[in-house]
Formats: sequence, structure tokens, C-alpha cells
Amino acid sequence: NAGVTQTPKFQVLKTGQSMTLQCAQDMNHEYMSWYRQDPGMGLRLIHYSVGAGITDQGEVPNGYNVSRSTTEDFPLRLLSAAPSQTSVYFCASSPGLPNRYNEQFFGPGTRLTVL
Amino acid sequence: DQQVKQNSPSLSVQEGRISILNCDYTNSMFDYFLWYKKYPAEGPTFLISISSIKDKNEDGRFTVFLNKSAKHLSLHIVPSQPGDSAVYFCAGGGGSEKLVFGKGTKLTVNP
Repeated sequence: NAGVTQTPKFQVLKTGQSMTLQCAQDMNHEYMSWYRQDPGMGLRLIHYSVGAGITDQGEVPNGYNVSRSTTEDFPLRLLSAAPSQTSVYFCASSPGLPNRYNEQFFGPGTRLTVL
Repeated sequence: DQQVKQNSPSLSVQEGRISILNCDYTNSMFDYFLWYKKYPAEGPTFLISISSIKDKNEDGRFTVFLNKSAKHLSLHIVPSQPGDSAVYFCAGGGGSEKLVFGKGTKLTVNP
């Protein structure tokens, strides 16, 4: 199993550009999520999905869109990038409830810089 | 409202000694907690978990203690090794699939 994969690993955007961060998992996990990690801020939840066709907002959803058309893929879209979105983005997946502990498996991250 | 707090941004210990990383929480609905370890340029990896009905869980050199009355948990690493140098995140969960993470503590183990 490849686990959770993310592409690209690095990206530089100009303000106002759009892009999609890709995330895929091959563990047949129902739950997938996107986090951003900023210095001194820990991991903050952007959006999450409990299954194909179902998405919801996390703690910091503004400026980001998601969709979940398949169990495997959960792309994150930036419609108009802003410097405040410079961050490291992590995708994670887990079997979801009713598993006892929702241990999440993380991808390697995408480092995004918005100029 | 910060539901999970890791008040120490960094911790430095000598190789072979004990490392104690602390975490406080405010959400009484959490019914399990997890610790993750993160190396630079990598994603976080799961380390150890504990249910709210237990007060201790041990896995090799890693032990997590939970004090529900104080809403406090701690991760003990004994003995500490240089390879343990990483950022450690505490997370709480319960009632939904979502996890709430603390801000992390950077552990440095000096040879």
C-alpha cells in the first residue's frame, strides 16, 4: 500500500492564482481531511469528508474548496491564492467511526508559498 | 477556544534520561487521545493512544498517562534517544471523526 499520497510536494503561486492540491489514499478509508500547519499554530483542520459525496468545513475553511467524488481522492482547491495561505498542507485519512480510535494516517505534505 | 493545549513549545533532554511532554484539554467530550510524532519535511505519524476510561497506556519506551479530573495527559519517553528528536502533537477525539490537535512541542534529545 502506498498509504496517503500528496502532490505536488512544493508549489509557488502568485497572488490570485488558483490551484488544486491532490490527495489520494489506497486504504479504502471513509474519512479524509485536510490540515494546514503554520509555525506556532499546530495542525488546523480545513475541510473533511466522512465518505464519498459528503464534505464539511473544519476550523479554517475560508479560501478553500473540496469535493469527494470517490473514496480514494480528496482534492483541495485554492480558487484565488493569498499570501496568508502560505503554509504546509497535510492530507490525512482514517477508517472513521465506529473504529475505537480515529487514528489518522497522514501524507507527506505539500509546501505552498504564495507570493 | 483552544480545546487542546501544549503549553511548552520546546523541551530539551539528555540522551538516556526521561522526556515528559504535557497536554491539557478543556473538552469533556473527548473520549480518547492520541500522540503524534513529526519529523521535519514529513507528515505526522501515530505514536500512542489512550482511552478516557484508562489512566495509563504503555508501548515500549512510550507511556501515556491520563488524569481526567485535571484534564491533563502526559507522554513519557524512557530512555530518550536522539532519534526521538521531533515535534510531538497531542490530539483529542470523541463523538465524531474529527481530531483536535494541540500546537505541538519540539523535543530535542542531546547525545
